[in-house]
Amino acid sequence: EAQVTQNPRYLITVTGKKLTVTCSQNMNHEYMSWYRQDPGLGLRQIYYSMNVEVTDKGDVPEGYKVSRKEKRNFPLILESPSPNQTSLYFCASRITGLGTFLQETQYFGPGTRLLVL
Amino acid sequence: GENVEQHPSTLSVQEGDSAVIKCTYSDSASNYFPWYKQELGKRPQLIIDIRSNVGEKKDQRIAVTLNKTAKHFSLHITETQPEDSAVYFCAASRWEGGSQGNLIFGKGTKLSVKP
Repeated sequence: EAQVTQNPRYLITVTGKKLTVTCSQNMNHEYMSWYRQDPGLGLRQIYYSMNVEVTDKGDVPEGYKVSRKEKRNFPLILESPSPNQTSLYFCASRITGLGTFLQETQYFGPGTRLLVL
Repeated sequence: GENVEQHPSTLSVQEGDSAVIKCTYSDSASNYFPWYKQELGKRPQLIIDIRSNVGEKKDQRIAVTLNKTAKHFSLHITETQPEDSAVYFCAASRWEGGSQGNLIFGKGTKLSVKP
């Protein structure tokens, strides 16, 4: 089954304790992205990756890191979490459409709800 | 950069009525406009999309219209049912460097359908 998976789904942590949220997709998609969702603010992009070893900042990258060593995985790293990073996080993936001039559907993972105390 | 405004932020309708959600975008080069539905506690899922070479697209009870001149697009849901209750997000993207650019999302509309 084609899917995007995230782990963990729920996480409670304390300020300053490094954590990683994993994201994996089995659709051979080049493009992957992380969003955070907060009430009234919609989906805001944190980081994205157009392919392996290619990452770039989104609209709200402060306090986050990412890596893309393999095509299927795109982990989100919070080196020193703070309470303002309490949020619902979504990973997403799609084909880049490079050279095809096709706009491809973006698929979301199930979400990770993070609480930083 | 692109900015997508979505209205209204909340919408309440009676079952069987129609619902319309509107979005405006700022970048005239945007050419792809998807709509996502997010049920409570679930992930956003694509329900319909439209490309800039098309003015309208329908899929059963849902339709999307695009006005490129005015830079706005709308989601229309007819004969609403309680299971249509969800948060709906519009988005826009353009071509960048020969590939599909990032989706820029509106802030969402919470639709409530009352039985």
